[in-house]
Amino acid sequence: DADVTQTPRNRITKTGKRIMLECSQTKGHDRMYWYRQDPGLGLRLIYYSFDVKDINKGEISDGYSVSRQAQAKFSLSLESAIPNQTALYFCATSDGQRASGGNQPQHFGDGTRLSIL
Amino acid sequence: GENVEQHPSTLSVQEGDSAVIKCTYSDSASNYFPWYKQELGKGPQLIIDIRSNVGEKKDQRIAVTLNKTAKHFSLHITETQPEDSAVYFCAAPQKDTGRRALTFGSGTRLQVQP
Repeated sequence: DADVTQTPRNRITKTGKRIMLECSQTKGHDRMYWYRQDPGLGLRLIYYSFDVKDINKGEISDGYSVSRQAQAKFSLSLESAIPNQTALYFCATSDGQRASGGNQPQHFGDGTRLSIL
Repeated sequence: GENVEQHPSTLSVQEGDSAVIKCTYSDSASNYFPWYKQELGKGPQLIIDIRSNVGEKKDQRIAVTLNKTAKHFSLHITETQPEDSAVYFCAAPQKDTGRRALTFGSGTRLQVQP
């Protein structure tokens, strides 16, 4: 979905390095999410944010931190990368303005492939 | 937290045949069930979703059925085409997040043989 842009698309780095993955969106959505995808495990939630002042941990937040710099920007950081954080990372958004009607569809970026040596 | 199990993990069908993927969930209060398609090198894209107030929803060759009593929902693709080949994920609201975020199944790799 071109409305959700992730940078970089690919990154190879070394153990112990600090890494930041960035996500920006032009959909005007207030809700943003970070997921990790590993083979055979589907998508697992790392962090989610329902507005600029709302940050929540997901099921696998250890070793990660996030920053919601603006409604349109949500970045994920690995403070000290380790090899088992090698994975495909996805950012997603959804429209909270319509959430009174229940969960709304999530729109995903095309992912960042991160390799930690 | 919410447990979403998805079967099968791989599915191979002949072009023109139907494909069915099934997911079960554990939280009886879940009320939203989307299906996503992921093509190689791309992020997941929503293909259909269903809310708990209906039992079935169709969109051309794609349908989703929901059995709230048994706590399972299924994706049905009829008249499959090679471009349907992809990985499909189901999802349900994640109880630990107050059902504000989703839990995803582990995915089904569908291969449509021409």
